[in-house]
Amino acid sequence: DQQVKQNSPSLSVQEGRISILNCDYTNSMFDYFLWYKKYPAEGPTFLISISSIKDKNEDGRFTVFLNKSAKHLSLHIVPSQPGDSAVYFCAATTATSGTYKYIFGTGTRLKVLA
Amino acid sequence: DTGVSQDPRHKITKRGQNVTFRCDPISEHNRLYWYRQTLGQGPEFLTYFQNEAQLEKSRLLSDRFSAERPKGSFSTLEIQRTEQGDSAMYLCASSLRPAKLFFGSGTQLSVL
Repeated sequence: DQQVKQNSPSLSVQEGRISILNCDYTNSMFDYFLWYKKYPAEGPTFLISISSIKDKNEDGRFTVFLNKSAKHLSLHIVPSQPGDSAVYFCAATTATSGTYKYIFGTGTRLKVLA
Repeated sequence: DTGVSQDPRHKITKRGQNVTFRCDPISEHNRLYWYRQTLGQGPEFLTYFQNEAQLEKSRLLSDRFSAERPKGSFSTLEIQRTEQGDSAMYLCASSLRPAKLFFGSGTQLSVL
């Protein structure tokens, strides 16, 4: 049972345009979400987080939007750069559990074309 | 801050052999996690330590897997009697504040 889903395995975007990566979740108990970027042969690198008390969080070129009613979050990258080409994972957890055991999606491979 | 360090980076072993991986977290981080990632999948949670206490283990962690974190510092993950299905990237992560995990570069295990 995949509780966190990234339904687009890949995405290609032109340099300078907006990249939108989507993530859906099924567990209504999830209340904290992270986005990670992963290059080949490296561990995931933290990008941005959002708590369920917010519907938007912004950090530089990266913005995460959360729609709790739809159980959907998205990561916007503006403007996209070739160095953003990587696999992006969303992850969710139930903060009140204390463990912060994150459940990851299967990832979306972003390719930014120069 | 030297980041999370994992050793070895790559391990090739024959089916039935035992393997052990090491993770050195960021020094002040009290939380340590092990995840496993296979091709085309996201990281899957294996186990979690707070200081030296192992507080949660996934159903994925069969009896052949054991993890330790003596003295709340580095951690080891041992797989006994390896099987081909154990081939994966094993990722370690640590955190001080639970809302952000810092991952190491992982250990890529290949079981022949």
